[in-house]
Parts: sequence; C-alpha cells; structure tokens
Amino acid sequence: AQSVTQPDIHITVSEGASLELRCNYSYGATPYLFWYVQSPGQGLQLLLKYFSGDTLVQGIKGFEAEFKRSQSSFNLRKPSVHWSDAAEYFCVLSTGGGNKLTFGTGTQLKVEL
Amino acid sequence: KAGVTQTPRYLIKTRGQQVTLSCSPISGHRSVSWYQQTPGQGLQFLFEYFSETQRNKGNFPGRFSGRQFSNSRSEMNVSTLELGDSALYLCASSGQLDTGELFFGEGSRLTVL
Repeated sequence: AQSVTQPDIHITVSEGASLELRCNYSYGATPYLFWYVQSPGQGLQLLLKYFSGDTLVQGIKGFEAEFKRSQSSFNLRKPSVHWSDAAEYFCVLSTGGGNKLTFGTGTQLKVEL
Repeated sequence: KAGVTQTPRYLIKTRGQQVTLSCSPISGHRSVSWYQQTPGQGLQFLFEYFSETQRNKGNFPGRFSGRQFSNSRSEMNVSTLELGDSALYLCASSGQLDTGELFFGEGSRLTVL
C-alpha cells in the first residue's frame, strides 16, 4: 500500500526567509505527486503537481518542488516566504487509479513578521 | 466559474441519527470525490463517483454511502451516527480522470453529540 510521510508537523519561518517542507513517499512505482495547501476559509488548493518528465516543477505563488526518485522524496520550496503563506501544506500521492488521493499528515507553517 | 459548493456548511446531530451532505461540482466536471478530515486521522478518502458510478471506495464502514446524479451533483449519507464521525467532510470535483487534480469545496463540518 502507498503512503506519504511529512516529518515536520509544525514549521516557523520569518517573513522573507526561504522555506523547505519535506515529503517522502512509499510506492512501488512512480506515483503522481502533488502539494496542496489548506488555508482557513479557503479550502484545499492545488499548489503544484508532478506526473513525469522534468523533476523540478513550478507551481503557483512562487512555490516549486523537486522529485527525487532515489530518495523517494518530493520536497516543497520557496525562496522567500510571505506572511500570507501561513497555512497547512499537504504532500499528496495518487497512483493513477482514479482520483483517489493519499494525503500526508500535513505541515503547519507559521510565518513570523 | 463557480467553485465546488457544499451544503450545509455546518450541522449538529446526535448519536444514532443520520445525515445527508450535498455537493455541487464545478460546471462540466463529472468526477466527484469525498474526503473526511479529522485531527486524529487526517484526510482520508471516502469514495469517488463518475457518471453516476462509484469508481473507488475507501476503508469506511457501510454506514457511509454516496451517490451521484445525472447532473453530476453528489450526496453522501452517514447513517447511525457515532461520536467519531465528527469531522470536516470535503467534496472535490475534477474535469479529468485519473490525474489527482482536484478542486475542493470548503467542506461540511459535522458535529455529533
């Protein structure tokens, strides 16, 4: 069975600092990978996705993620965090069998001004 | 273009009762999925419908059921409510199959007393 691990439950960064959120997955083949963000009152929103090809993918709001097959990782990065980035971030896996998603436990991001 | 609409947004029930939640997908989207979000278990897949047919089902007891209508609107039902069913129930729609790119509604928050 597939699984997603987000080792950091909470992360606090200063506004303007860089950000990296970690994600590791377990699946026998290459899955589809996503990052979703959940903000109060705004629901879950897709940040970016990896299906195949270029292992560095760009998303909305200046986020990017890098797929590393050898490490089974899909870490999310942003060079300069804005206060509005405070939210909960979920690393998500899909095996392509329908739109069934497996979510990680989430990382709550706090941004200090 | 209107987003995914879920009703009701909040509801309170007592143990043993049943509840029906409704979801209107984005216009043109034929795939509708449901997820349960709780602090303890995180986000878990309930089921997915496409063209009125259930394509996938998560590991939930038979008390949880759903259906999809010809206009793609979907409902989920939980019978014989238990305290542990208190959760945020999220509906998501997609215009594509098997990609994992979902558009989520803001959810229906169910409290069981």
